[in-house]
Amino acid sequence: DIQLTQSPSTLSASVGDRVTITCRASQNINIWLAWYQQKPGKAPKLLIYKASSLESGVPSRFSGSGSGTEFTLTISSLQPDDFATYYCQQYSDDWTFGQGTKVEIK
Amino acid sequence: QITLTESGPTLVKPTQTLTLTCNFSGFSLSTSGVGVGWIRQPPGKALEWLALLFWDDDKRYSPSLKTRLTIAKDTSKNQVVLTITNLDPVDTGTYYCAQGGLSGVFQYWGQGILVTVSS
Repeated sequence: DIQLTQSPSTLSASVGDRVTITCRASQNINIWLAWYQQKPGKAPKLLIYKASSLESGVPSRFSGSGSGTEFTLTISSLQPDDFATYYCQQYSDDWTFGQGTKVEIK
Repeated sequence: QITLTESGPTLVKPTQTLTLTCNFSGFSLSTSGVGVGWIRQPPGKALEWLALLFWDDDKRYSPSLKTRLTIAKDTSKNQVVLTITNLDPVDTGTYYCAQGGLSGVFQYWGQGILVTVSS
């Protein structure tokens, strides 16, 4: 099984901050990584696929990078609507989610 | 417009079998590359992938749960059914179905159904 480890687990930030979340895979997954945003009581929303491709309709302040075993999700200027929990997901070998990173208001 | 809707019991007893149905519209499970998956989330915890069924009836299961899971489709009804046997309170959570497939990502999700396992 491929394991995904996200850091940090919780992140406190202010509107306008640049935010970076890291996802590390237990083995090489090439670029087969996606990022999702989830708000309380709602289903996850796809943000990024193939490590760095922006899903249609997602604001350009979201970006993804990385390959192999280390990946990052960056929000260039945090907006009020961005306070949520973010998950990475690999699809190189079956499917696995990370444990999540909660972005909260500082 | 693609929509998915989960249905099934919301309260089940330990050791019982849970059957969840995903009704979908806006796509066909007979289209090459398309799949429907199930993902669950215990209260306050992370997402966990359970199973995925492809258009060609290929089925994939989470290794840690595969002995308890069965996924099947009824293409004519636009339905995918997930069965989980021998339920335990740790199986409590929100169960989502989502459109996936060869793309590898889950682009469209249902609203989820909260299932509680308790005697």
